[in-house]
Amino acid sequence: AQSVSQHNHHVILSEAASLELGCNYSYGGTVNLFWYVQYPGQHLQLLLKYFSGDPLVKGIKGFEAEFIKSKFSFNLRKPSVQWSDTAEYFCAVKKDSNYQLIWGAGTKLIIKP
Amino acid sequence: EPEVTQTPSHQVTQMGQEVILRCVPISNHLYFYWYRQILGQKVEFLVSFYNNEISEKSEIFDDQFSVERPDGSNFTLKIRSTKLEDSAMYFCASILDRRRYEQYFGPGTRLTVT
Repeated sequence: AQSVSQHNHHVILSEAASLELGCNYSYGGTVNLFWYVQYPGQHLQLLLKYFSGDPLVKGIKGFEAEFIKSKFSFNLRKPSVQWSDTAEYFCAVKKDSNYQLIWGAGTKLIIKP
Repeated sequence: EPEVTQTPSHQVTQMGQEVILRCVPISNHLYFYWYRQILGQKVEFLVSFYNNEISEKSEIFDDQFSVERPDGSNFTLKIRSTKLEDSAMYFCASILDRRRYEQYFGPGTRLTVT
């Protein structure tokens, strides 16, 4: 069965630190890749997505992610985090032929001011 | 900015009762989804709906579940006879079209089955 793994369940960083959250998936065919964020008390929101083309995608709020097909990875990065980035981050994968998203377990990110 | 809305925000029900969770997707969107997240677990896909029929469903979405778009604006999830293990946060989502596939999520309904 297809699965999505997020390596860290909890990450604590200080402001201005660099961030990288890992995401690996197990499906070998064509996939679409997503990172969603859920700020405390708010909806899930799309941060960025990859469908095709440049494997380095830029999203909102200074986030970016790199699709490395050979590693089945789609890691999320931000060079300098802010306190307001405190949230839960979810990686999700969609097989090209399907409708559903398959989700990772999420990473809770806490930024210390 | 248009958004997906869900009601109620929290529903408490007794085991064996029927519940209906309501969603109002963004008005020009064509594809609709239900997901759930049991506390401490992953978000799980339940069902997708397009053109007034189910386009895909997961193993979770058994005969106890049904979806409907009764009036062109609401999108409902019905659980016929709730079980304790149905306690979860239920999220509705919608997308405009499959090419762009940006899912817009509602705030969720927390269902507690006692």
